[in-house]
This record gives sequence, C-alpha cells and structure tokens, in this order.
Amino acid sequence: DSGVTQTPKHLITATGQRVTLRCSPRSGDLSVYWYQQSLDQGLQFLIQYYNGEERAKGNILERFSAQQFPDLHSELNLSSLELGDSALYFCASSVIHGMGDEQFFGPGTRLTVL
Amino acid sequence: AQTVTQSQPEMSVQEAETVTLSCTYDTSESDYYLFWYKQPPSRQMILVIRQEAYKQQNATENRFSVNFQKAAKSFSLKISDSQLGDAAMYFCAYRRRRDSNYQLIWGAGTKLIIKP
Repeated sequence: DSGVTQTPKHLITATGQRVTLRCSPRSGDLSVYWYQQSLDQGLQFLIQYYNGEERAKGNILERFSAQQFPDLHSELNLSSLELGDSALYFCASSVIHGMGDEQFFGPGTRLTVL
Repeated sequence: AQTVTQSQPEMSVQEAETVTLSCTYDTSESDYYLFWYKQPPSRQMILVIRQEAYKQQNATENRFSVNFQKAAKSFSLKISDSQLGDAAMYFCAYRRRRDSNYQLIWGAGTKLIIKP
C-alpha cells in the first residue's frame, strides 16, 4: 500500500458525459501528479500540482481539468467523454525536495466510456 | 525533449534464471533520475529501483540491479533468480533532477513472462 488513495476504482459511463476522479496523496506529500495509461501502453503525464498550484502541464486535453484543494487532495475532471478516453488514470504524490522525490502511485481509476 | 525507449515488447525467462530488460533514453540534461517500475496484473505501479545520474555506482535492490551507462544513455535492468511473482510489465522512466517540473517520462514497457 503506497498510501495514495484514488476513488472510484472503476467508472463506467457513456460518451458525452462528465466524470470526476479523486486522489488523496500520502500524508505530508505536497505534490500530486496525474497520468493516463491507455491499454497496454506506457503512462502519459497529464498535469502536476504542488501545494494547490498548477506546476506543470503535459498532454492534457482541453476537455480535462484538475485542481488541488487546501487539504491537498486533488480531482481530475473529464468532460465530453469520448471512447478514446477509456484508460487507467493514475494519481501519484511526492514530497518535492525530499529524498529522491520518489513518486508514489495510487491504485488507479479504470474509466470505461461506452 | 526527453524520450525513453524500451525496444523489447516482451521477454520470457525460465524460473530461477537471469533476465535483462533494456532501456535507452535521450536527454540533453546531465542531472536526472532513472527508474524501473513494475506493474503486475493488479495494475499497481511499484517502484523497483532508482538510479541517480551523478552516481557512477550501479543501483542494486536484492535480486534487481541496473547497468547504467551514462555516455551510451542506456539503463538496463537485470533480474536474478527470476521468480513467478516477477511476472509483470516493466516500465523504464526518466525524470529531471533540478526542475520544478518533476514529471516522469515513460517507456512503452516490456512484458516479462516467467516460465515455471
């Protein structure tokens, strides 16, 4: 158990809908990262937040948005869903400026768009 | 832009034998981290081993060791005494060390099959 929690574990929805994925980082970690893993592929970095502020953006679609709240949990919002958005979405957290800045991964949310 | 390449989509090894997974990367940076992550069927991402680019000594973690060749930009993972529980996808990843952008850049992964 990495200490990072993600809810829900599974999400099945229809095209055009909107969903929210939630992540709680490890206690003490200030930074949260979101990654997308499509079927049998490597992970693609979406976005990073540090202590409530957006720090870096990767290949995140305009239909996707995220935020980090004062209690440091983060939410990833996906709207106008398309079939191609079906993937495993990982959240990771790290201390930043800590030992090796290792990223600890949550169990992921599997999104299926029908 | 940095890239990570894993040229072996799938590898198989007999239980108790040794296997090496390859990874090459491209970067103009001199200070960075390299990682190997394991993703078993449960889909959980598990850190296997980490290498700091400024360290010449290869990292080791029990049965797992790396061969880090900085000039060649190569970072292979050796698994000794392979066990059935080692069966998983293995991902190589890169990250800058000194930057506000700490994103991991990932290879496409290698599926490791352990034959009993």
